Amino acid sequence: KAGVTQTPRYLIKTRGQQVTLSCSPISGHRSVSWYQQTPGQGLQFLFEYFSETQRNKGNFPGRFSGRQFSNSRSEMNVSTLELGDSALYLCASSAAGRSLQETQYFGPGTRLLVL
Amino acid sequence: AQSVTQLDSQVPVFEEAPVELRCNYSSSVSVYLFWYVQYPNQGLQLLLKYLSGSTLVKGINGFEAEFNKSQTSFHLRKPSVHISDTAEYFCAVRLNYGGSQGNLIFGKGTKLSVKP
Repeated sequence: KAGVTQTPRYLIKTRGQQVTLSCSPISGHRSVSWYQQTPGQGLQFLFEYFSETQRNKGNFPGRFSGRQFSNSRSEMNVSTLELGDSALYLCASSAAGRSLQETQYFGPGTRLLVL
Repeated sequence: AQSVTQLDSQVPVFEEAPVELRCNYSSSVSVYLFWYVQYPNQGLQLLLKYLSGSTLVKGINGFEAEFNKSQTSFHLRKPSVHISDTAEYFCAVRLNYGGSQGNLIFGKGTKLSVKP
């Protein structure tokens, strides 16, 4: 079974631009979560989607948004990019999204550099 | 506030030596505990998790961890490390408020460097 895939793997943008990152969960998984990883702040939770609905959100500004499609694929968007948005963005999926005991499986991440 | 503390940011060790990576958490509710490993330029891979039952949990690649409720700790151990264990290790918790949703809260990570 294929793992979580994320595209693109690397991205360079300039301040003020917007960016869209994509995540395809493991086949059959319905819950998708996004995390931001930076050297200074570490791994921080962005949001979680389940059945096309955002059901949990971290403490990030409204410039960060996401969505989930009927096939469970998810996208996240960052508008008006700032230098501090440079990070590795990780997507994780879990099977049914109905239990905290489920394992979250992570993709390889998208490394975003904002110049 | 809930938090996860990994006491060592870097741990150098020689090959075939034992290693312990320390993790403490604070939470007002019960938690589920996880250890993930991240190799360079890769995502996170689950090593092991504690949900309930036996406090000693065995994971992949010869790692194990022990949950200590009184000390709110979940330290990761391996009796004999290999060069290939060089990576960054993250301790994480999920808070159990009784529902089905809850994100992972991560520690800052411990970089394990195994030297020949």
